[in-house]
Amino acid sequence: QQQVKQSPQSLIVQKGGIPIINCAYENTAFDYFPWYQQFPGKGPALLIAIRPDVSEKKEGRFTISFNKSAKQFSLHIMDSQPGDSATYFCAASGGRRALTFGSGTRLQVQP
Amino acid sequence: DVKVTQSSRYLVKRTGEKVFLECVQDMDHENMFWYRQDPGLGLRLIYFSYDVKMKEKGDIPEGYSVSREKKERFSLILESASTNQTSMYLCASSLWGGAGAGGYTFGSGTRLTVV
Repeated sequence: QQQVKQSPQSLIVQKGGIPIINCAYENTAFDYFPWYQQFPGKGPALLIAIRPDVSEKKEGRFTISFNKSAKQFSLHIMDSQPGDSATYFCAASGGRRALTFGSGTRLQVQP
Repeated sequence: DVKVTQSSRYLVKRTGEKVFLECVQDMDHENMFWYRQDPGLGLRLIYFSYDVKMKEKGDIPEGYSVSREKKERFSLILESASTNQTSMYLCASSLWGGAGAGGYTFGSGTRLTVV
């Protein structure tokens, strides 16, 4: 049973576009929602994270939107660049439990 | 620069072998984790440890065991390797307080092939 569902599986945008990656969760005990970025040959690295007491968080060109009632959250990348090409994972956890990850989205930003 | 180091980048093992994957962190983190990464499935939790000699099963512990004798070292053991354990294995660590305290630091992964 996949507790965090991520879509799309892959995404191609032009430079300057705004890719959007969506995640949905089922467990209402989740209270921490990070996004990780992974480049080829590297482990994932924390990009940005949100708690359910806010509906939006921005860090530079990256924005998380959170909808608690729908149990959904999404990552938006403003003014995307070729250097943003990577695999992105959403995740969720509650209390002291380990992170549960989504299935990943491979993003390609074309010059 | 803080880091999580996995002992091998690539490993090839035979079916039935006992396999040890080693992970060391230098950040004095309490929590350590083992995930496997497969295309289309994301990262799936195998085991985690929140203290020395403590361990908890994750979502897919079958066929695996772990050892944490020292705070900085967390080992994943494949008791009898099988071809369906061919995967990328990722080790991670985090501060006490778990995911909310700065997130996980991942190693670069071990690509294991079982033939």
